[in-house]
Amino acid sequence: GAVVSQHPSWVICKSGTSVKIECRSLDFQATTMFWYRQFPKQSLMLMATSNEGSKATYEQGVEKDKFLINHASLTLSTLTVTSAHPEDSSFYICSARAQGDQPQHFGDGTRLSIL
Amino acid sequence: LAKTTQPISMDSYEGQEVNITCSHNNIATNDYITWYQQFPSQGPRFIIQGYKTKVTNEVASLFIPADRKSSTLSLPRVSLSDTAVYYCLVGADSNYQLIWGAGTKLIIKP
Repeated sequence: GAVVSQHPSWVICKSGTSVKIECRSLDFQATTMFWYRQFPKQSLMLMATSNEGSKATYEQGVEKDKFLINHASLTLSTLTVTSAHPEDSSFYICSARAQGDQPQHFGDGTRLSIL
Repeated sequence: LAKTTQPISMDSYEGQEVNITCSHNNIATNDYITWYQQFPSQGPRFIIQGYKTKVTNEVASLFIPADRKSSTLSLPRVSLSDTAVYYCLVGADSNYQLIWGAGTKLIIKP
């Protein structure tokens, strides 16, 4: 149980393109979903937290107009990197949590490369 | 906000028990302690979660002393496939700022 699917697993695109990443909880309803960014050999960096039907809460330093998060249902959240540039290249990981005292369950991540 | 401290790396051998300790001196009353395992280019995988005392599941045990300022993940009889980075995470529902430490790179040798 507690499976989270993240798609796509990798994407390569040109600078200026917008990229959408999907995160789905397959066998549970996720009250809260999280989006992380991870650089090589570093820990996870929380970008934003979203509750279904509400606006996402962004961490300090994360541009909300750059990284658009939508959590339209209890099983789906999307992260859109708008007008992506090479410095946005990274490993993006989503997680989903059923309730407050439950652990997060993670997708397998999306490797984003902007040329 | 709780902040965690773990050893940067540890080595062990197949078949041994491995204990990884995490310090979280500023843990809040409603914070849970959760451990994750991460392989390269994959998302973290949930291992175990606890609040106090001891928790055991099919893959690990988690020991939490009464003051909750630290916790120890115990992996019994490790194998080569346990080579990974292990993260200790402290946080609660009302605290969105779930702070991830640097993690412990565990290397298991034959």
